[in-house]
Amino acid sequence: RKEVEQDPGPFNVPEGATVAFNCTYSNSASQSFFWYRQDCRKEPKLLMSVYSSGNEDGRFTAQLNRASQYISLLIRDSKLSDSATYLCVVNRKAAGNKLTFGGGTRVLVKP
Amino acid sequence: GAVVSQHPSWVICKSGTSVKIECRSLDFQATTMFWYRQFPKQSLMLMATSNEGSKATYEQGVEKDKFLINHASLTLSTLTVTSAHPEDSSFYICSTTSVSYEQYFGPGTRLTVT
Repeated sequence: RKEVEQDPGPFNVPEGATVAFNCTYSNSASQSFFWYRQDCRKEPKLLMSVYSSGNEDGRFTAQLNRASQYISLLIRDSKLSDSATYLCVVNRKAAGNKLTFGGGTRVLVKP
Repeated sequence: GAVVSQHPSWVICKSGTSVKIECRSLDFQATTMFWYRQFPKQSLMLMATSNEGSKATYEQGVEKDKFLINHASLTLSTLTVTSAHPEDSSFYICSTTSVSYEQYFGPGTRLTVT
């Protein structure tokens, strides 16, 4: 079983709609959680950190459920520019600053 | 602005040759840098952790004699792919880390071995 699992998608989303997807992690000792965005043939870029109480950044909302070991990302009012692969990333203090990446969820926003 | 730079951004080399990729931390001193590899339609896989002034630590299954890492200064780490083969063709990305565990990635180097 992979340490971080994501639905690869693609999620085809009409422009202006809301899309949400989850990521599950297997190691209960995971401590830091992030969503990264990766465009085709580019490096990943930090979208947002995920905090225990949940957090929002503009149209993006992230939630963490430690009991069920999953995190979620919701995108409201989708823009064409939101089309990308969203990577779920976790970190364990015991592993130093090493990050473990999920396989990514591809989102395609269409007019 | 960019926090991490990589050079070259892409390289094509012949099988059997060696290729050096540079990763520079632009805004702060990085005692630790990470090297990742990403094959098409796959996620990033950590190859090794580069430690300034000491030997790199490699992930399981990554050959340290094939992927030579040198972290001679607080702003520069290099990855040398020795005796490259077509199966080494991939997207190589480095990163540095902040105290809050966020990582900042370089723009990547696309290696094609013919």
